[in-house]
Amino acid sequence: DTGVSQDPRHKITKRGQNVTFRCDPISEHNRLYWYRQTLGQGPEFLTYFQNEAQLEKSRLLSDRFSAERPKGSFSTLEIQRTEQGDSAMYLCASSSRTSGDHNEQFFGPGTRLTVL
Amino acid sequence: KNQVEQSPQSLIILEGKNCTLQCNYTVSPFSNLRWYKQDTGRGPVSLTIMTFSENTKSNGRYTATLDADTKQSSLHITASQLSDSASYICVVSDPFGNEKLTFGTGTRLTIIP
Repeated sequence: DTGVSQDPRHKITKRGQNVTFRCDPISEHNRLYWYRQTLGQGPEFLTYFQNEAQLEKSRLLSDRFSAERPKGSFSTLEIQRTEQGDSAMYLCASSSRTSGDHNEQFFGPGTRLTVL
Repeated sequence: KNQVEQSPQSLIILEGKNCTLQCNYTVSPFSNLRWYKQDTGRGPVSLTIMTFSENTKSNGRYTATLDADTKQSSLHITASQLSDSASYICVVSDPFGNEKLTFGTGTRLTIIP
């Protein structure tokens, strides 16, 4: 499978715990994006990387959230001291600036987070 | 206020029938407008992408239209199938390198046999 993969697919945690999600983009895609989607809503942009550089962060990304892409390949999104309001689907997407076709973003299956 | 609004919020139609979903946006300027299909519990999958200069784009039974003057787009689905049951999301990208996508809230389409 050469698509975007995310791990885990589901995560249930207690309030106050830390969680980390992983995203593996399509091979050689230099851009990677994180989105959050709550029930009945469209995805909301969180942050994006070009190679290993984090170029933009949304105001939605509070101090408890941190994202990394250390080698310009896979990325991790960590949430510290989780709150019930963090419950959502976290989507990762990747794109290649050189691939043409309007810099199309390809999405992974998402990680469903439930904070109890 | 959401910059991309969709209607209806939900729609139920019989298998084989056609339907049209609407999208109004206020994002301006924009680079391109996309329609995505999202199955429950899955990531969105791109159906069509149109630049501001394009009026229509087809992908099989899906046809998207764009009126940049009125800032409206529609997605027409022909001869619906049970597998078309999903959320359809209208997405507008900013003109500065397509870094950020603004998503609508989606239309939940249910096809019944």
